[in-house]
Amino acid sequence: SQQGEEDPQALSIQEGENATMNCSYKTSINNLQWYRQNSGRGLVHLILIRSNEREKHSGRLRVTLDTSKKSSSLLITASRAADTASYFCAMTQGGSEKLVFGKGTKLTVNP
Amino acid sequence: KAGVTQTPRYLIKTRGQQVTLSCSPISGHRSVSWYQQTPGQGLQFLFEYFSETQRNKGNFPGRFSGRQFSNSRSEMNVSTLELGDSALYLCASSLERVVGYTFGSGTRLTVV
Repeated sequence: SQQGEEDPQALSIQEGENATMNCSYKTSINNLQWYRQNSGRGLVHLILIRSNEREKHSGRLRVTLDTSKKSSSLLITASRAADTASYFCAMTQGGSEKLVFGKGTKLTVNP
Repeated sequence: KAGVTQTPRYLIKTRGQQVTLSCSPISGHRSVSWYQQTPGQGLQFLFEYFSETQRNKGNFPGRFSGRQFSNSRSEMNVSTLELGDSALYLCASSLERVVGYTFGSGTRLTVV
């Protein structure tokens, strides 16, 4: 079963705008990761945030984690058409390395 | 350096047949995981191998099996294929526990 729930399911924006995607989960996590997938191909790892971290940045990406609310958000600033993809949050729990994925947010950036 | 390589990229099989998918992880990565992606169920964990040992297994029937070789390459096998096994099968490798995974491009299996 999916542990992560992502919101919104789909997002359409114009180039240059910011895109924010949210992920909520149900039980305690070790870390939370965000992945991008283009057109049903492999996933690309974007960023990992540990349970004791609150915010991380990587280029145009900003991830926050609120363990009290069991939620995370991914912000893509100054979006580009090339950012068009599906974005997934995934988390690990306990001693397991398995990733539990959300259903994903489909982002469309219009030129 | 080379990424995670999955073969074949596409596969069409008939119901009842069996199939073997292959995954070569990034050199030096000892952890290999397999995931199934379908439109209905999303991304679901199949199993994880580390140094030839299965460390974790997802909630899939026994028709789904896997193994890892001494060179870290991994295979997964699905026997007695069903139409519902049609999916994108993704392999991922990792160097250490608390880092992100590198995924292959996947094998798209169609069962007819």
